[in-house]
Amino acid sequence: DGGITQSPKYLFRKEGQNVTLSCEQNLNHDAMYWYRQDPGQGLRLIYYSQIVNDFQKGDIAEGYSVSREKKESFPLTVTSAQKNPTAFYLCASRQWDRDSGNTIYFGEGSWLTVV
Amino acid sequence: DQQVKQNSPSLSVQEGRISILNCDYTNSMFDYFLWYKKYPAEGPTFLISISSIKDKNEDGRFTVFLNKSAKHLSLHIVPSQPGDSAVYFCAAKGSGGSNYKLTFGKGTLLTVNP
Repeated sequence: DGGITQSPKYLFRKEGQNVTLSCEQNLNHDAMYWYRQDPGQGLRLIYYSQIVNDFQKGDIAEGYSVSREKKESFPLTVTSAQKNPTAFYLCASRQWDRDSGNTIYFGEGSWLTVV
Repeated sequence: DQQVKQNSPSLSVQEGRISILNCDYTNSMFDYFLWYKKYPAEGPTFLISISSIKDKNEDGRFTVFLNKSAKHLSLHIVPSQPGDSAVYFCAAKGSGGSNYKLTFGKGTLLTVNP
């Protein structure tokens, strides 16, 4: 089945540690995104990538890093510099096309808890 | 500065009745609007969308209305079903150099009572 796979679903991290969230898509989409959701908040954009080997900061990129070495993969690293990392993280993708690429599709999300 | 606003954090309706979810935006450069439905601990799923050149789009029980002059859109669900109970996010896509991302509202929790 085509889709976006995030792993792990649940992750616990000790303060001061970096952690990497995996995101893989087999939709052959060009663009990929990372969003963060906090309780009572909307989805806020962390990073996005329009093509392989290129990525841009979103609205809340501080304390995060990404890479886009392959079209299907867009891992997110939550570093120790992120002050409030406990959140629900959502990976998404979109076909980069002027005529039809307006819908972003999401993975199932990853819960990160700092203990 | 919140460019997409969903002013009602929650809405409760009876099964079979109409649910109306509202969304306001401030950026006149938004050219495409989407609604997503989200269950707890799951990713949002795309529901329905509308281009800024239209004022209505319908898909089964779901209809989205867009009033550009008022910068307002709404999602109508008729008839509402208990399985519709979820958080609904309104999202808007920028145009030109900002067409890479969606800006989301904070969501409205819809509860459909049997």
